[in-house]
Amino acid sequence: AQKITQTQPGMFVQEKEAVTLDCTYDTSDPSYGLFWYKQPSSGEMIFLIYQGSYDQQNATEGRYSLNFQKARKSANLVISASQLGDSAMYFCAMREIQGAQKLVFGQGTRLTINP
Amino acid sequence: DGGITQSPKYLFRKEGQNVTLSCEQNLNHDAMYWYRQDPGQGLRLIYYSQIVNDFQKGDIAEGYSVSREKKESFPLTVTSAQKNPTAFYLCASRGWGNVGDTQYFGPGTRLTVL
Repeated sequence: AQKITQTQPGMFVQEKEAVTLDCTYDTSDPSYGLFWYKQPSSGEMIFLIYQGSYDQQNATEGRYSLNFQKARKSANLVISASQLGDSAMYFCAMREIQGAQKLVFGQGTRLTINP
Repeated sequence: DGGITQSPKYLFRKEGQNVTLSCEQNLNHDAMYWYRQDPGQGLRLIYYSQIVNDFQKGDIAEGYSVSREKKESFPLTVTSAQKNPTAFYLCASRGWGNVGDTQYFGPGTRLTVL
């Protein structure tokens, strides 16, 4: 079975600093997808970034980048130049390739950006 | 605008009542999903549908039912058999975005049992 582990329940960062949110995963599938979502206090889940297991390069989307280390089974999210609006819950998720192709989520990390 | 809508945003239910949560999408996606989120937790899959008139149980389907009569709609009914229904419910649809096959979420419905 697939499993996602986020070991940081909460993170506090000063505005404009970079922050790394940790995510490790476990799967026996050779092919999988890794996602990061942001959940502000309003509740909606906002897609941030995606990394395929066979992608050669780390994914980047604006201020977001994914530090993908396949051998270590880690997929850490890096946010550069943090902003007050980045304060939210962040979830790492893995997608099954077969069957339902559901997302398996970690417990999340609550990020707080201090002014 | 293309997207996923859920209604209502807040829902209060008395014990013993069934309630139905609405999920509509105009993204032309085939697959749709219902997830449940408890406070401080990640999401867990309740039901999913990969095509009209077909749906499958997810990890926590007991006490819930769904239908998929139209591509755009995937309503979730929380029945009186669900022992602890107070939670945040998120609907998603899956389709090809600019980074490949991705799930997109609606704004959610917060259900409270009184």
